[in-house]
Amino acid sequence: EAGVTQFPSHSVIEKGQTVTLRCDPISGHDNLYWYRRVMGKEIKFLLHFVKESKQDESGMPNNRFLAERTGGTYSTLKVQPAELEDSGVYFCASSPSALSSYNEQFFGPGTRLTVL
Amino acid sequence: AQSVTQLGSHVSVSEGALVLLRCNYSSSVPPYLFWYVQYPNQGLQLLLKYTTGATLVKGINGFEAEFKKSETSFHLTKPSAHMSDAAEYFCAVSDLVNQFYFGTGTSLTVIP
Repeated sequence: EAGVTQFPSHSVIEKGQTVTLRCDPISGHDNLYWYRRVMGKEIKFLLHFVKESKQDESGMPNNRFLAERTGGTYSTLKVQPAELEDSGVYFCASSPSALSSYNEQFFGPGTRLTVL
Repeated sequence: AQSVTQLGSHVSVSEGALVLLRCNYSSSVPPYLFWYVQYPNQGLQLLLKYTTGATLVKGINGFEAEFKKSETSFHLTKPSAHMSDAAEYFCAVSDLVNQFYFGTGTSLTVIP
């Protein structure tokens, strides 16, 4: 079974440009999460989808970030326009339907974004 | 609110020596606790987790951790370090809605 995949693995862009990150969760997982790690800091929650709906987007930094999950399958995270402080590693995770009180999250390898 | 503190951003141990990575948490609800490992160019991999029951949990690759409620700690240990253990380790706490709160990570170096 394929794990969570993310594309691209690295992206280097200039300030003011737009970048779109993609995450493909494990097939059949309803829950999809985005996290970000700024260098040297903790991995921080950005948002949570349940199928195609945003369950919690309390961690999104500002309105330059737009996440979508059309059809409840893969998700994209767009940063427009990118700023220097957006540099970091963006992780995606997925988990099955919440039929119990806890669901393990499976993480992708991350996308390393560098904004120059 | 939940939060995690990992003491020591870098830890070095000799091959064969004890590995001890520290994690303290704060949580307003009974916590679910996790250790994840990230090897170079790979995703986060679950090492072990505590949800309920036995407070000493065993994970993959010989790692274990003990949940100590009185100390709000969940330290990760391994009796004998191996070169392949060199990686970055993250402690995390989860609340009842499965949002994860991570520590800043500890980079483990194993010296031959």
